[in-house]
Amino acid sequence: EIVMTQSPATLSVSPGERATLSCRASQSVSSNLAWYQQKPGQAPRLLIYGASTRATGIPARFSGSGSGTEFTLTISSLQSEDFAVYYCHQYNNWWTFGQGTKVEIK
Amino acid sequence: QVQLVESGGGVVQPGRSLRLSCAASGFTFSSYDMHWVRQAPGKGPEWVAVMSYDGNSKYYGDSVKGRFTISRDNSKNTLYLQMNTLGHEDTAVYYCAKGSAATGTYYFDHWGQGTLATVSS
Repeated sequence: EIVMTQSPATLSVSPGERATLSCRASQSVSSNLAWYQQKPGQAPRLLIYGASTRATGIPARFSGSGSGTEFTLTISSLQSEDFAVYYCHQYNNWWTFGQGTKVEIK
Repeated sequence: QVQLVESGGGVVQPGRSLRLSCAASGFTFSSYDMHWVRQAPGKGPEWVAVMSYDGNSKYYGDSVKGRFTISRDNSKNTLYLQMNTLGHEDTAVYYCAKGSAATGTYYFDHWGQGTLATVSS
């Protein structure tokens, strides 16, 4: 099983600031990596797939990068609605998820 | 638009069973693999099971293999998960999720709102 490790567990950021979230895979997943946003009581919402392609309707302030085992999700200027938990997800070899990074208001 | 609506969750005693359903609409259900993904309280999602678009193939995560059974009825656009011999570790919100592509490597592009299964004595 490919293990996905996210860091940090919690990120405290002020509105308008930049947030950088990391995700590492235990073995290469090529570019088969997605990012999801989840708010309390809601299902995960697809943000990024193919490591760097924004899903339909996702604002340009969200960007993804990386390939192989190291990936990054960047939120360029945090808005109030962006405070949530973010999960990375590899779909190269079956399907596994990271444990999440909570982005909270500083 | 794509809609996935789960039902069937509830409180069940350890060792008992529960059957979940997922009603799909807004896409050609019979063309896509469908999945169950669960999320325990405070944890990341965990993939549970997949059934191929035509129902001919099914696979399970190690934690549920031999206890859970995935099935689908393409005439009713509905996905099912039969969960037997439930334990406390199965307490989670269960989501059905649609594969993003009909073939090849794919992620989950749509999720239902989830149904909570609680195993408690």
